[in-house]
Amino acid sequence: NAGVMQNPRHLVRRRGQEARLRCSPMKGHSHVYWYRQLPEEGLKFMVYLQKENIIDESGMPKERFSAEFPKEGPSILRIQQVVRGDSAAYFCASTFGSNYGYTFGSGTRLTVV
Amino acid sequence: DQQVKQNSPSLSVQEGRISILNCDYTNSMFDYFLWYKKYPAEGPTFLISISSIKDKNEDGRFTVFLNKSAKHLSLHIVPSQPGDSAVYFCAAFDKAAGNKLTFGGGTRVLVKP
Repeated sequence: NAGVMQNPRHLVRRRGQEARLRCSPMKGHSHVYWYRQLPEEGLKFMVYLQKENIIDESGMPKERFSAEFPKEGPSILRIQQVVRGDSAAYFCASTFGSNYGYTFGSGTRLTVV
Repeated sequence: DQQVKQNSPSLSVQEGRISILNCDYTNSMFDYFLWYKKYPAEGPTFLISISSIKDKNEDGRFTVFLNKSAKHLSLHIVPSQPGDSAVYFCAAFDKAAGNKLTFGGGTRVLVKP
C-alpha cells in the first residue's frame, strides 16, 4: 500500500446528479478525514471517521452531504443533487491513531457542469 | 472566522536565497503547528512541524519558528531551490477540539533559477 488512495481522480457530474468519492486509507490506519479545497482557498475540514463511526462531522454541510467508513472497504463521501458550488478538490487523509500525523491522498477533483 | 491566516498569497525568490513564509493564528489552544507543501494535482505532503512548547524546529533546509506571544509562526527555506516552487500551507492542530487540522489559505512560492 503506497499511501492513501483516492478515486476517481477526476469526476464530472451534471447538476442534480450524485457524486461518490472513495478513499482507501494507508494500511493500518483506522482514522479517516475528509477535507475540501475550493479554488484559491485553503483546505477546510469536513468530517472525521473511524471504522463504522462518525466522530466529528462539524464541517459537513447539513444537507446533501454524507460520509461513511464501513467495516470493510473504503470510506465514501457522497454528495447528492450536486450544484455548481460543489466543484472543488476533495482530499482524504488517514492517521494511525488520534494524532496530527496525517497522510493525504492525491484528491478527487469534482467538476459540476 | 479564520483561525489560521497566511497573509501573503504569493512569494517570488531567487534560487539560493532564503524564502520566508509567515502564518498568524488566533486560537491559543493549538497544540501543534505544521507546514505542508502542495504541488498542482497532488495532495499536501507534510514538511515540518513544531510543538506549541517549542520555539524552533529545524530539518535540513527547513526551519520553523514559533512566537507564541505574537501568535505567529514562520517557515524559513534556505537555500531555496527550483523544486521548492509549490503552494505552502500552514496548519494547526488542537487535540482537545477533535483531531482536525485548521489550514491557512496558502502561499504560492516561485523559486526562480
